[in-house]
Amino acid sequence: DQQVKQNSPSLSVQEGRISILNCDYTNSMFDYFLWYKKYPAEGPTFLISISSIKDKNEDGRFTVFLNKSAKHLSLHIVPSQPGDSAVYFCAARNFGNEKLTFGTGTRLTIIP
Amino acid sequence: EPEVTQTPSHQVTQMGQEVILRCVPISNHLYFYWYRQILGQKVEFLVSFYNNEISEKSEIFDDQFSVERPDGSNFTLKIRSTKLEDSAMYFCASSEESAGGYGYTFGSGTRLTVV
Repeated sequence: DQQVKQNSPSLSVQEGRISILNCDYTNSMFDYFLWYKKYPAEGPTFLISISSIKDKNEDGRFTVFLNKSAKHLSLHIVPSQPGDSAVYFCAARNFGNEKLTFGTGTRLTIIP
Repeated sequence: EPEVTQTPSHQVTQMGQEVILRCVPISNHLYFYWYRQILGQKVEFLVSFYNNEISEKSEIFDDQFSVERPDGSNFTLKIRSTKLEDSAMYFCASSEESAGGYGYTFGSGTRLTVV
């Protein structure tokens, strides 16, 4: 089941620069997309989401972009800070369902 | 900030034994979930629970698994006869509304090791 894919297992970014994390999906019935951040020994923490009727949602340093025709979403973090170092998961929800389908995660390292 | 509490943080059990993982969701939340993450793999949905019954479950959630909200505050996941492949991090989550764009609040997880 590879309905949500994060093709980059890791990413390193200089502090202050932009971090761009990518996610692709195959299920056209997904209607909500979410990004979670996870530190070791903690549960995932909700960051930001976007509905399939939008193409952009912004919250402070975090912006999520959705390209429905390409079935692609991305998370931009500007400026990147050392505390952003974590594993980032994208997740998607199918309309009418409760479950979230997660990607495999991207480990982001912010270099001071 | 309210949080979801899971106990124990780590459980080691013999294959074939029953195990109960416990969770205290956020008090005003109405929707409850269990997910798991096998080491190195993705976070996988197990079950959702609303209004004292299972609202959705995955193919992983077979007859060996059950959930219960015994007293209005705890939410438990029981595995009746554990297998080696049940070794994983188990996350409980809760949400105030049906999980649309609001996301869930996850607990810190219980690491289950079956030996």
